[in-house]
Amino acid sequence: AQSVSQHNHHVILSEAASLELGCNYSYGGTVNLFWYVQYPGQHLQLLLKYFSGDPLVKGIKGFEAEFIKSKFSFNLRKPSVQWSDTAEYFCAVSGGYQKVTFGIGTKLQVIP
Amino acid sequence: DAGVTQSPTHLIKTRGQHVTLRCSPISGHKSVSWYQQVLGQGPQFIFQYYEKEERGRGNFPDRFSARQFPNYSSELNVNALLLGDSALYLCASSLGPLAGDTDTQYFGPGTRLTVL
Repeated sequence: AQSVSQHNHHVILSEAASLELGCNYSYGGTVNLFWYVQYPGQHLQLLLKYFSGDPLVKGIKGFEAEFIKSKFSFNLRKPSVQWSDTAEYFCAVSGGYQKVTFGIGTKLQVIP
Repeated sequence: DAGVTQSPTHLIKTRGQHVTLRCSPISGHKSVSWYQQVLGQGPQFIFQYYEKEERGRGNFPDRFSARQFPNYSSELNVNALLLGDSALYLCASSLGPLAGDTDTQYFGPGTRLTVL
């Protein structure tokens, strides 16, 4: 069975600070990895995705994530956060055309 | 292009009642999945439909059922509602097997169900 573990449930940062959100997954096969974001009052949006190839994936709004197969990790990073990045971030995994399994989510609060 | 749409936006029901939630996928998408998101948790998979057939089911009781129509829209039905069914119900659409290993799900705004 696939599972996703997000280590930080609530993160508070000041603007311009660097961000790294941890995500580890468990899946017995070819894995697709995603980060979704849910801004306050908005629906889940795809931030970035990894299917294959370059393990460093760039997404929207300056976010990137690195797939490290040996560590079963897919951590999300951003060099300098903005107040508008305040949101909840979900790491997710799927096995291709199959259900998506989500982590519990990390609430990011950016203080101006 | 319009994204995934869901109706209604909010719904209040009492215990024992049943509810029907509706979803229209992105144009060209043939797969629809349903998720339940309880406050403080990530979305939990309920069903996946493709070409009107159930292709996957999560760990939910038989009170939960769904169907997909020829136009690829979908309904989620929940019978004998319990207080614990209060949640945000999300619909996601994707290309399905046509996309193979690169299939990506896009989510709608959800229906907020409150059971009193």
